[in-house]
This record gives sequence, C-alpha cells and structure tokens, in this order.
Amino acid sequence: GAGVSQSPSNKVTEKGKDVELRCDPISGHTALYWYRQSLGQGLEFLIYFQGNSAPDKSGLPSDRFSAERTGGSVSTLTIQRTQQEDSAVYLCASSLSYDANEKLFFGSGTQLSVL
Amino acid sequence: DQQVKQNSPSLSVQEGRISILNCDYTNSMFDYFLWYKKYPAEGPTFLISISSIKDKNEDGRFTVFLNKSAKHLSLHIVPSQPGDSAVYFCAASAHGGDKLIFGTGTRLQVFP
Repeated sequence: GAGVSQSPSNKVTEKGKDVELRCDPISGHTALYWYRQSLGQGLEFLIYFQGNSAPDKSGLPSDRFSAERTGGSVSTLTIQRTQQEDSAVYLCASSLSYDANEKLFFGSGTQLSVL
Repeated sequence: DQQVKQNSPSLSVQEGRISILNCDYTNSMFDYFLWYKKYPAEGPTFLISISSIKDKNEDGRFTVFLNKSAKHLSLHIVPSQPGDSAVYFCAASAHGGDKLIFGTGTRLQVFP
C-alpha cells in the first residue's frame, strides 16, 4: 500500500478482554515501531522490530503486552486482560531501515477504549 | 523521566504572524532532532529535522533552531496559515540510538 495501515481504527472493549491491533507497514520498510499516546501525554515508545526480531522490548508497559512481526511485514500488538489505563491511541510507524535518524512514517492509529 | 519536554500545551497565533514552538531536552547524548506534525485522526508526519552539527535548518516557511548549550530547540513558522493548525511534536535521538523520544506536543491554532 501507499502508507502504513492500521486496523481497527477504533476498538472498544471491556476490561479483562484481550485485544489485537494490526499494522501493515510500507512495503520494503525493514523497521517497524509501536508507540502509544495516552490522553495528555506524548508519544510513548513501546517496541520496535528490525525485520522479524524485536531487540528492545523494554518499552512494553507490562507482561500483558506482546508483539510479533511475521514475514518482515505485518505486525500485531496484543494486549491481554485489558485495563482501563490501556486506553490510548496506538500508533505504528515504519522506516526504510533501522536507524533512529531515519524518517518514520506513521499510520493513523488505533483508538483503544477500555470500559 | 521526560527527556524531551514541550512546556506549552497550546499556542494560538493570528494568520500571517510568526508561530514559535519550543522544545527542551535533558539528554546531552541527543544529536538529532525532528519535528512532526499531527492532524486529528491522522498519524504524525515528518516536518523538519536538524543535526547537532548545525544550529539552523530552513525549509520554506519552517525553520528549526538548535541551541546545544541550552539544550533547547524551536520551530518557527512564518507566515502562519490556518492549515498549520495541528499538534506539533518535538523528537530526539542519540547517535547509535534505537528509538525516537517524543515530547508531549504543542497544539497550534492559527486563526484568521
């Protein structure tokens, strides 16, 4: 596709349920990043992928969060047993290569609301 | 620990005037700085960047200034246009670093 695609765009779930968020990066981009933006907060780094591997998972808020990437393309972020504090916009970004100076291209995000 | 700070959550400027958005950072290892712009319901888009070897970078109506001694950078938009109304995020990275660190954003409103 032309840009980074995320689905769903909106997700409302009940506390305790599991959710899965999907990201389709720009074709050919080897690096993929997950950020989240809580109300009134900046963009909080969660995890990045270099190809299919995630060298740094330290940004994940708790062990309820996990992410994977397959085929060097699609990535899914899974949140188990969701809590109200998980409510945020989850943003995915990709870049041509793994380099913090490389320009990031963001998707429109998934607005997650945990009731 | 907020390594990148944008202390003004909002800014309102009249069309045609200059908009100045400020950003402070604490990590002296940061050597590359970027500004991203975000419209509602869209992801952030890259606007302009600056390396620490420079103190100014200009692209059309947008200029970023870097003051390394003060650990401060600013984005100037002149003249401001209503279409510039958005949230602006400052971001920084360190050489060899693995991620961008973003600030909390400043909401700019340009009114006619």
